Amino acid sequence: DTGVSQNPRHKITKRGQNVTFRCDPISEHNRLYWYRQTLGQGPEFLTYFQNEAQLEKSRLLSDRFSAERPKGSFSTLEIQRTEQGDSAMYLCASSSPLSHSGNTIYFGEGSWLTVV
Amino acid sequence: AQRVTQPEKLLSVFKGAPVELKCNYSYSGSPELFWYVQYSRQRLQLLLRHISRESIKGFTADLNKGETSFHLKKPFAQEEDSAMYYCAATGYNFNKFYFGSGTKLNVKP
Repeated sequence: DTGVSQNPRHKITKRGQNVTFRCDPISEHNRLYWYRQTLGQGPEFLTYFQNEAQLEKSRLLSDRFSAERPKGSFSTLEIQRTEQGDSAMYLCASSSPLSHSGNTIYFGEGSWLTVV
Repeated sequence: AQRVTQPEKLLSVFKGAPVELKCNYSYSGSPELFWYVQYSRQRLQLLLRHISRESIKGFTADLNKGETSFHLKKPFAQEEDSAMYYCAATGYNFNKFYFGSGTKLNVKP
C-alpha cells in the first residue's frame, strides 16, 4: 500500500499525558497536512509542511501542539499535557501540486485520540 | 479565510431517485473545489474535483461562480452511494483546504 500511513490508529491516554502521532505521506509528495476532525464536523486544518518547512499553523494549534517534519518525509504531531477537549480524529494528508494529480490531497486513515 | 457550507446533515433518498448534495463557499476568487467521500470504515477519498470536469461513479458537480456553489448531483442513486460526503475548497493561496461539515447520504432500497 503506497497510500498515506498513520500510527497509532487508536490511542487512549490519561489527561495530562503527552501523545505523539506519526504520519508517512505518499513517497513523492512534498506537502504534508495535519487536520483534526470531531464528531459531526468536517476536517479542520491544523498545519502544513512543504518539504521540511512548516509554512502555516492554525490558531487551533495551541502551544501544547507541535508538529515536525525533520527530513521532509514523515511527520510527527505531538500533543503535550492532553486535555479532554483534544479527543478527536487526527488526520494526515499529503499532496504533490506539480504531479499529474495536481493540487489534490490524499488522506490517511487517521489516528483516534481519546483522553480520559 | 474560506468558509464551506453544507446545509444538509442528512439526506435520505430511495434507490433510483435523483440526488443533489449542496455546497456553498464564501471566498469568491477562483478556488479549487473538490468533493470527498468517506464510505463506512474507510478513509476520506477524493470523489471529484471541478478542474477535471469529470463524472465519477455517475456523480457530477457544477461550479456556479455567481452563486458560489458547487453542488454534487447524481441522476439515479444507488445503495452503494450511501456514505459521508464532504465538499472542500482551497483558500486564496490554494495551499489550504477548507472542508464543510459533511452530508450523510442514505440510499434506501
